[in-house]
Amino acid sequence: SQELEQSPQSLIVQEGKNLTINCTSSKTLYGLYWYKQKYGEGLIFLMMLQKGGEEKSHEKITAKLDEKKQQSSLHITASQPSHAGIYLCGADRSARQLTFGSGTQLTVLP
Amino acid sequence: EADIYQTPRYLVIGTGKKITLECSQTMGHDKMYWYQQDPGMELHLIHYSYGVNSTEKGDLSSESTVSRIRTEHFPLTLESARPSHTSQYLCASSGTSPNTGELFFGEGSRLTVL
Repeated sequence: SQELEQSPQSLIVQEGKNLTINCTSSKTLYGLYWYKQKYGEGLIFLMMLQKGGEEKSHEKITAKLDEKKQQSSLHITASQPSHAGIYLCGADRSARQLTFGSGTQLTVLP
Repeated sequence: EADIYQTPRYLVIGTGKKITLECSQTMGHDKMYWYQQDPGMELHLIHYSYGVNSTEKGDLSSESTVSRIRTEHFPLTLESARPSHTSQYLCASSGTSPNTGELFFGEGSRLTVL
């Protein structure tokens, strides 16, 4: 069964627009990871969140974990074509085994 | 920059052939993983290893097998490939640092079985 639900499944935005991707778990998250994947390639680690209410930013990407530690959001400000790709959230299961969400395909139109 | 490599990147073979997907990392990581990725983007863990001579099956049942004879090497083998094995296979590794839990991924091997 799917433990992590991502929404939306796909997203098309105009360059310069802000966007948000959500990741929801039915169970408390003890480690939430965001990865980005270019089509046909491996995943690149973006950020990890562990504490309720935690927020991290890197360049124009901000990730948050809610207080209940069951939902995370990834927000991109002023999107660029370089942000295009598949964004996946992952959650710790045990000893660094990650289970992943179904992914969000982001297209940024120039 | 991650030092984890997968070969081949692309492979097209006929049904019944034996194939081995190679995965090597130069970071000295104990933990290594194989994920299978559907066309719909979802990743499923099929094998993992916590060290030499240690291998376990993951969540998704797979007819593939793995071995871990050396720390840096974690090959995946299909004895008799079938069209249902057509997929993207991603290898990953992680170190012992508790700080990030970051997985380092290879670029993937895209397998097509005709």
